[in-house]
Amino acid sequence: DSGVTQTPKHLITATGQRVTLRCSPRSGDLSVYWYQQSLDQGLQFLIQYYNGEERAKGNILERFSAQQFPDLHSELNLSSLELGDSALYFCASTILGQLTDTQYFGPGTRLTVL
Amino acid sequence: GIQVEQSPPDLILQEGANSTLRCNFSDSVNNLQWFHQNPWGQLINLFYIPSGTKQNGRLSATTVATERYSLLYISSSQTTDSGVYFCAVAASGTYKYIFGTGTRLKVLA
Repeated sequence: DSGVTQTPKHLITATGQRVTLRCSPRSGDLSVYWYQQSLDQGLQFLIQYYNGEERAKGNILERFSAQQFPDLHSELNLSSLELGDSALYFCASTILGQLTDTQYFGPGTRLTVL
Repeated sequence: GIQVEQSPPDLILQEGANSTLRCNFSDSVNNLQWFHQNPWGQLINLFYIPSGTKQNGRLSATTVATERYSLLYISSSQTTDSGVYFCAVAASGTYKYIFGTGTRLKVLA
């Protein structure tokens, strides 16, 4: 158990809908990363937050947004869902968000868009 | 942008064998990490290794930044080593990770 929790574990929804994925980092970790893993695109870095502020942005679509709250949990919002958004979404947390920090991953949320 | 290539794409070993996985990248990086995704999907961060050599038990990694490659060595492989191994790099001056397509390892008992 990495100490990182993600909810829900599975999510099935329809095209055009909006969903919210939640991540709670390990106790004491200040930084959260979001990743998408799909059969087509492989593993992709989406976005990183450190102590509530966005630090780095990767291949995150404009239909997607994220935030990190004062209690350090993070949410990834996906809107106007398309079939191609079906994927496993991981979050990871680190102590300070430094490149040298070890990332601890949650179990992922599997999103299926029908 | 940076291209990351991993080889071989697939590898099957008998338990106890050694293996070397390779990661080539196309530009200067300030971060290189190796990850393992087990057959149940859990991702584990193995090494942060932008240069030099590190060892952790039966696993070791070497990155030669000037030649733009990294190697992950697995010695005396065990069935629990099965899964997909990814390397990920971040270009100098950025935190944006780019992942390779992975090496799928299967260790047979």
